[in-house]
Amino acid sequence: GAGVSQTPSNKVTEKGKYVELRCDPISGHTALYWYRQSLGQGPEFLIYFQGTGAADDSGLPNDRFFAVRPEGSVSTLKIQRTERGDSAVYLCASSLGGVLESPLHFGNGTRLTVT
Amino acid sequence: SQKIEQNSEALNIQEGKTATLTCNYTNYSPAYLQWYRQDPGRGPVFLLLIRENEKEKRKERLKVTFDTTLKQSLFHITASQPADSATYLCAWAGSSNTGKLIFGQGTTLQVKP
Repeated sequence: GAGVSQTPSNKVTEKGKYVELRCDPISGHTALYWYRQSLGQGPEFLIYFQGTGAADDSGLPNDRFFAVRPEGSVSTLKIQRTERGDSAVYLCASSLGGVLESPLHFGNGTRLTVT
Repeated sequence: SQKIEQNSEALNIQEGKTATLTCNYTNYSPAYLQWYRQDPGRGPVFLLLIRENEKEKRKERLKVTFDTTLKQSLFHITASQPADSATYLCAWAGSSNTGKLIFGQGTTLQVKP
């Protein structure tokens, strides 16, 4: 079946611009996660949705980052006033339920480059 | 804060041998540990999960062990193949049912034919 889909796969933007990254989770998965991965590092947690609401947004680095999931399916990660330090691969994952028992299914990520 | 430490040096082994990767955590005992495989340019793929009350878990050629005294998990691939070459990530989950998995930096395995 279809896995987690992320678009675009690559995004190059100039410093100071606004970007949106989209995630289509696996159908029926209620939980959705955003992680960020820098080169040579493991994924770093950003935010977790259960249904439409953000259950844990403690990983968002600052108020330039915001994520929504208005209908409990597709999610958009929004970054305002991008900085060069925001350059990374942004990974989305979904799971059937809470993370304690359900493995995460990751997409292939959006590679964001801020010039 | 909790940290997950994996050997950042690449592991190079010969085909057919057993690969053993190490994951150490610093402070809090996890509810469970998960292991993922990641290939270049791809997202991580789930392999195995081991709970805090389990000593060992197996799946085909994969085996995970968990030692709460040493605060360590070992991940073994027996009869390794070149196709096993990838980066392997360990992830810690606490007792609360949130989405916050804490990942190690991963260990790259290279299996030579």
